[in-house]
Formats: sequence, structure tokens, C-alpha cells
Amino acid sequence: NAGVMQNPRHLVRRRGQEARLRCSPMKGHSHVYWYRQLPEEGLKFMVYLQKENIIDESGMPKERFSAEFPKEGPSILRIQQVVRGDSAAYFCASSPEDREGTSYEQYFGPGTRLTVT
Amino acid sequence: SQKIEQNSEALNIQEGKTATLTCNYTNYSPAYLQWYRQDPGRGPVFLLLIRENEKEKRKERLKVTFDTTLKQSLFHITASQPADSATYLCALGGYIPTFGRGTSLIVHP
Repeated sequence: NAGVMQNPRHLVRRRGQEARLRCSPMKGHSHVYWYRQLPEEGLKFMVYLQKENIIDESGMPKERFSAEFPKEGPSILRIQQVVRGDSAAYFCASSPEDREGTSYEQYFGPGTRLTVT
Repeated sequence: SQKIEQNSEALNIQEGKTATLTCNYTNYSPAYLQWYRQDPGRGPVFLLLIRENEKEKRKERLKVTFDTTLKQSLFHITASQPADSATYLCALGGYIPTFGRGTSLIVHP
């Protein structure tokens, strides 16, 4: 059973370009989360999605950032007009659907390291 | 506001000893608490989840306690090995856990 997959692993963009980060959850998982991590800082929640739905985007910057999880295909985190401050490691995590509505542990991908030059 | 505190200083211990890491929190009443391990350049790896009605949970050499009165969780690794060296994160919450910054553990041979 393959784990959470993210690509690319490393992404270099110039200021003003767009960055697209992809995440394929573990088989059987229908919940996807995106986090950002800066050096010496903790994981910061960005957005929580289920198939075709954004459940919680309270951690997403209001501008330039968007996320989707289509019915088919991976989840995409999109950053438009990147700036140097967007340089960070972006992690995706997935968890299984729980019928009781309780929390489950999250399984993380290896991350995408975005560098904005 | 909610706050999670993990010791920012690295914990250095000798191989074979028990490592104990602490996670304190304020302004929060989580129903769940989780511990993760993160190695440099990698994503966190889930280790244990404990519920608020559980005092203690074990998995092989790992033990987690959860004291909702003290608002504290302790994470123990018994018979520690150099391979246990990593950063350990605690995470609190329900559907969207909030992560602490983690504590680095260094086990010396």
C-alpha cells in the first residue's frame, strides 16, 4: 500500500511565477490536509479538503493561494505570483474517513520544498 | 489563544536510557493528542494517538500519558537507541490537529 505521494519534491520558482504542488493520498483515504513548515517552526495548517469539497481553509492566506481535491486525480495546492516569503516545505497529509466523525491520525507525504528566487 | 509548548532545547541522553519528552498546552481541551516523529528533510510519521479518557497508551518501547488536569502529555522512549534520534512533535485536537514545534532528541551511543 503506497503511502502519501507528493511531487515535485523540490520546486524552484522565480518571483511572480506560479507554483503547483500535487498530493496523492493513501489508498482509501478521502481526507487531505496541507501544511506549511518553515525552518525552526512548527507545522502550520493551511487547508482541509475532502473529495470536491473544501472543508476548512482557515489557515490559507487570503490571496494567491488556492487548493482543490477533484473527484479524480491528486489534490493540488496552487500558489500564484510567488514571493520569497513563500519559500518553505509544504506537506500534505491524508487520513481515512471515519463514520463516527472522530479524529484520526494523519499520514504525511515527504513534502515539497519550494524555493523562490 | 491556544498554545502548545514543547521544550525547544534538544534532549541529549545516553543509549539505553529512557527519554522523556513533555508537551504542555493552555487554553485548550483536546479530545485527542497525538505524537509524531520527524526526521530532517522528511514528513512527520504518526506514532501514537491517545484519547482524553485514556490515561496511558503503549506501543513497543513507546509510552504516552495524557493528564487533562495538568494539561500535559509525556512521551517516553525506553531503552533508547541512536536510531531514535529525531524531532518529536505533539499534536492536539480533533479533525484539524494543532502541532507543537517539536523537541529534538539526540541519543548518544
